[in-house]
Amino acid sequence: DTAVSQTPKYLVTQMGNDKSIKCEQNLGHDTMYWYKQDSKKFLKIMFSYNNKELIINETVPNRFSPKSPDKAHLNLHINSLELGDSAVYFCASSHNLGGTQYFGPGTRLLVL
Amino acid sequence: DAKTTQPPSMDCAEGRAANLPCNHSTISGNEYVYWYRQIHSQGPQYIIHGLKNNETNEMASLIITEDRKSSTLILPHATLRDTAVYYCIVSLSGNTPLVFGKGTRLSVIA
Repeated sequence: DTAVSQTPKYLVTQMGNDKSIKCEQNLGHDTMYWYKQDSKKFLKIMFSYNNKELIINETVPNRFSPKSPDKAHLNLHINSLELGDSAVYFCASSHNLGGTQYFGPGTRLLVL
Repeated sequence: DAKTTQPPSMDCAEGRAANLPCNHSTISGNEYVYWYRQIHSQGPQYIIHGLKNNETNEMASLIITEDRKSSTLILPHATLRDTAVYYCIVSLSGNTPLVFGKGTRLSVIA
């Protein structure tokens, strides 16, 4: 019954590795997002997809590549992980861009 | 950058009303006021939103001033589970993404 789910919940990895985070929503929404929350607790948008098309890319390094295989899924692949990538990553979805957003539980990424 | 100003923290006694203020003096005519909260370690949770009129739902009430330059979120009977960071956000619904500021950390005290 979970509306927005993310896997994994925790991810610990070494610098330089490549990793992926998956997100799925069962709300029938057209728009999905990735946010990053750093150690200072600022929540910043990274990407937004609408109907599988990239709408927003907020000055995120090109090591981050989102992929939306269908409207219900938005995955985040990160290449060559750096220490500064350590953060909590939240996925969210909404009926349309800017509408009420529903967030997943977050993925806690720690890069060593 | 966030277009809202909120106090960094507030305390509220359990069972009392929590009134969380927000200033948004540069809000434009077609921007909505949204409120979200983030309970420790969880994803942000939508609470309520409004354009001009006051709004109420099962979680809270939203009071928007007539000039729309400020608003107040009211939790009528705060419980310990309402302890969270509350974010006030202005956004063009259907047009732009949400921009989160620093929010107000509400502590409900027994």
